[in-house]
Amino acid sequence: ELKVEQNPLFLSMQEGKNYTIYCNYSTTSDRLYWYRQDPGKSLESLFVLLSNGAVKQEGRLMASLDTKARLSTLHITAAVHDLSATYFCAVDHAGGTSYGKLTFGQGTILTVHP
Amino acid sequence: DTAVSQTPKYLVTQMGNDKSIKCEQNLGHDTMYWYKQDSKKFLKIMFSYNNKELIINETVPNRFSPKSPDKAHLNLHINSLELGDSAVYFCASSQEFMWGTEAFFGQGTRLTVV
Repeated sequence: ELKVEQNPLFLSMQEGKNYTIYCNYSTTSDRLYWYRQDPGKSLESLFVLLSNGAVKQEGRLMASLDTKARLSTLHITAAVHDLSATYFCAVDHAGGTSYGKLTFGQGTILTVHP
Repeated sequence: DTAVSQTPKYLVTQMGNDKSIKCEQNLGHDTMYWYKQDSKKFLKIMFSYNNKELIINETVPNRFSPKSPDKAHLNLHINSLELGDSAVYFCASSQEFMWGTEAFFGQGTRLTVV
């Protein structure tokens, strides 16, 4: 059974600082997604990572995927308050009729303080 | 123009009642899903339909019955509601490609069983 673990689960950051959220998964997959969820809102797709070594950047966020280590990272650069949200990684089971079946990590609640 | 829309957004009902949640997507995707998010924000897939055909049916009580009248709609009917059914239910859709199955989520339906 595929397991996806994020750490940390809670992250309190000062504005301007850098930090990294880690996402480990237990079985082979080369499809990993990062989502953002604001309180009471839907999930917004941030990044789609589809191969070993994939790196994508959008603004202050950068995501990478190492399929050999079964690890993805979400790096936050010079955090601002607007980045406060819950961040989820999700891994696609990527096989047979399980395409599109996402297993989510527990989520990382990010709070950025002035 | 909402891509994945669910109704209702909030649903408060008594134990034992039967209720339905409706979902529609206008993205032209072939695959639709129901996910459940519990009080700890953990997201877990319940069902997946591809072109009206049930593809994924996780270990979900048979009080939950999905129905897909066409590939743009996926409804969720819940019989004999229990307190433990209280959660946020998200509908999602995706288009299967060789290069990934990014899922787009609706705004969620917050179900409260009292």
